[in-house]
Amino acid sequence: GVTQSPTHLIKTRGQQVTLRCSSQSGHNTVSWYQQALGQGPQFIFQYYREEENGRGNFPPRFSGLQFPNDSSELNVNALELDDSALYLCASSKDRIMNTEAFFGQGTRLTVV
Amino acid sequence: AQSVTQLDSQVPVFEEAPVELRCNYSSSVSVYLFWYVQYPNQGLQLLLKYLSGSTLVESINGFEAEFNKSQTSFHLRKPSVHISDTAEYFCAVSDVGADGLTFGKGTHLIIQP
Repeated sequence: GVTQSPTHLIKTRGQQVTLRCSSQSGHNTVSWYQQALGQGPQFIFQYYREEENGRGNFPPRFSGLQFPNDSSELNVNALELDDSALYLCASSKDRIMNTEAFFGQGTRLTVV
Repeated sequence: AQSVTQLDSQVPVFEEAPVELRCNYSSSVSVYLFWYVQYPNQGLQLLLKYLSGSTLVESINGFEAEFNKSQTSFHLRKPSVHISDTAEYFCAVSDVGADGLTFGKGTHLIIQP
């Protein structure tokens, strides 16, 4: 399945954070979502074969990387209190991943 | 722009009773539609999806949803719920060929014994 690390994280406003995701073997598309408390997930961006190929309404301080070994990262710079949320990673073997996306259990980020 | 409206934030229902969770969407093009379930402190699990073909789709655990294009709805139903169905349910939409899913705010299904 899709695994994410760490499961929980506390950071201070202004700091930078890196969240990690390990996709299912053979999946070449990964996307990241932010789920604030009591809300539905919001699409941050998607990577296909190590290149960003879709982005939601998030500022450039949200960035990512995808590696050839089925792993990926979400980086957030200059953390704000509103960045506190559950961050979900999803992977798929399809370029258009929405038809079959598998989600990880998420990383809960708290910014204080 | 797409949007998804889940009309009920919470739905309490007695065990073994039927339930309907409502979902309406807005989009100007052809869409894919999904229901995901989220148990406490867990990620999202795909419950069922409509991509094309029959407008009635079913899951392996007794849920079903019907795509109604004229009413832009994709309501989720189950004829008899169990305590284990207690969870948060999210409706999601994607334009065909687009990146990313647009989710609703979720409906908390509360099963009462």
